[in-house]
Amino acid sequence: DTAVSQTPKYLVTQMGNDKSIKCEQNLGHDTMYWYKQDSKKFLKIMFSYNNKELIINETVPNRFSPKSPDKAHLNLHINSLELGDSAVYFCASSQGTSSLNEQFFGPGTRLTVL
Amino acid sequence: TQLLEQSPQFLSIQEGENLTVYCNSSSVFSSLQWYRQEPGEGPVLLVTVVTGGEVKKLKRLTFQFGDARKDSSLHITAAQPGDTGLYLCAGARGSNYKLTFGKGTLLTVNP
Repeated sequence: DTAVSQTPKYLVTQMGNDKSIKCEQNLGHDTMYWYKQDSKKFLKIMFSYNNKELIINETVPNRFSPKSPDKAHLNLHINSLELGDSAVYFCASSQGTSSLNEQFFGPGTRLTVL
Repeated sequence: TQLLEQSPQFLSIQEGENLTVYCNSSSVFSSLQWYRQEPGEGPVLLVTVVTGGEVKKLKRLTFQFGDARKDSSLHITAAQPGDTGLYLCAGARGSNYKLTFGKGTLLTVNP
């Protein structure tokens, strides 16, 4: 009965590889997000989708490409991984785009690029 | 430039003590949220404040939004080990629904 789930939990890979992280929510929400939390715990938004449409696209290298096949899923594909991509990536969802709405976060995917 | 400054960055106290953490900005926010994040997990929303001067209480936690909506504080009374975690404030500006997070206060409550 997990609300927001992410796979994998841990991802260790070599520089230059391409990898994907998957996110699913069973809350019936229409808005989903990807955040990056660096080693100093700073959490920064990367992307947001509302009803499968991209609505927030922060200054993120175009090696990062989100995809939302349906409202319940938001995946993140990363090409040509770099050392600086090492971080914890969190998926989140909310009902609607209002900043007053609670965002529910997944457990995170810890990505380590060697 | 960090939009939301949180202080202190680290706080280690004994069980039963009181504490206050702060979230400050030079910008006005239309709303501000506080989250708690435990190790290996995602942040969990504690409270949302929207009105300048607003005070909200959640058991032993008291949240206050500054009159000018530029700052907020979180006060914990009689801290318990279960309060240990990373406390994050996050604000939204105007009609922008994007949340900007502070860097957090890492609280450790020792038994």
